[in-house]
Amino acid sequence: EPEVTQTPSHQVTQMGQEVILRCVPISNHLYFYWYRQILGQKVEFLVSFYNNEISEKSEIFDDQFSVERPDGSNFTLKIRSTKLEDSAMYFCASRPNQGASTEAFFGQGTRLTVV
Amino acid sequence: QQQVKQSPQSLIVQKGGISIINCAYENTAFDYFPWYQQFPGKGPALLIAIRPDVSEKKEGRFTISFNKSAKQFSLHIMDSQPGDSATYFCAASSNAGNMLTFGGGTRLMVKP
Repeated sequence: EPEVTQTPSHQVTQMGQEVILRCVPISNHLYFYWYRQILGQKVEFLVSFYNNEISEKSEIFDDQFSVERPDGSNFTLKIRSTKLEDSAMYFCASRPNQGASTEAFFGQGTRLTVV
Repeated sequence: QQQVKQSPQSLIVQKGGISIINCAYENTAFDYFPWYQQFPGKGPALLIAIRPDVSEKKEGRFTISFNKSAKQFSLHIMDSQPGDSATYFCAASSNAGNMLTFGGGTRLMVKP
């Protein structure tokens, strides 16, 4: 069964460092997303991406964050200068289209720990 | 107005019992209401979803009840099993399901 793949599974970084989280969405999907989940809290939307541009972003997705689809398969989330409060589980998701009731498939997540 | 409120935060049910999780929303533009199941260390996985043109949807042991006028929807798990022990999130979206707004989650434990 096709799945969304995220790497690494766990990333530890020092405060102020840049991190890149990587995702390989399902191959025929067109819509891509990043969500985050701070430990014990709800899943929060960060950004959606379609046709090589951001289609929606939340207040969390400030200038420290950026997304890119550098080739036909990868979808990355970059955090330019990490803060302690960026520690969370980051989930990538993809959807085949934006038709009614189409399912978003989530990856297993990358646990980011900022120390 | 974008919030989705979920209750209870945690729930303990005996095997064979009914698990009920409730959600309420404010944004009347929401038109897609999925429920996600999340096991520890895994990403959320779609369990069942409903659109507001129906009041109930059933898939196996899982049923969503939807009350448009009250802006509430709930998940019922019939004959709950220990394997159902997980965290359940309700969610909502508009624009045919682009950005999902999640509830706070319910940690369900089904005791054998």
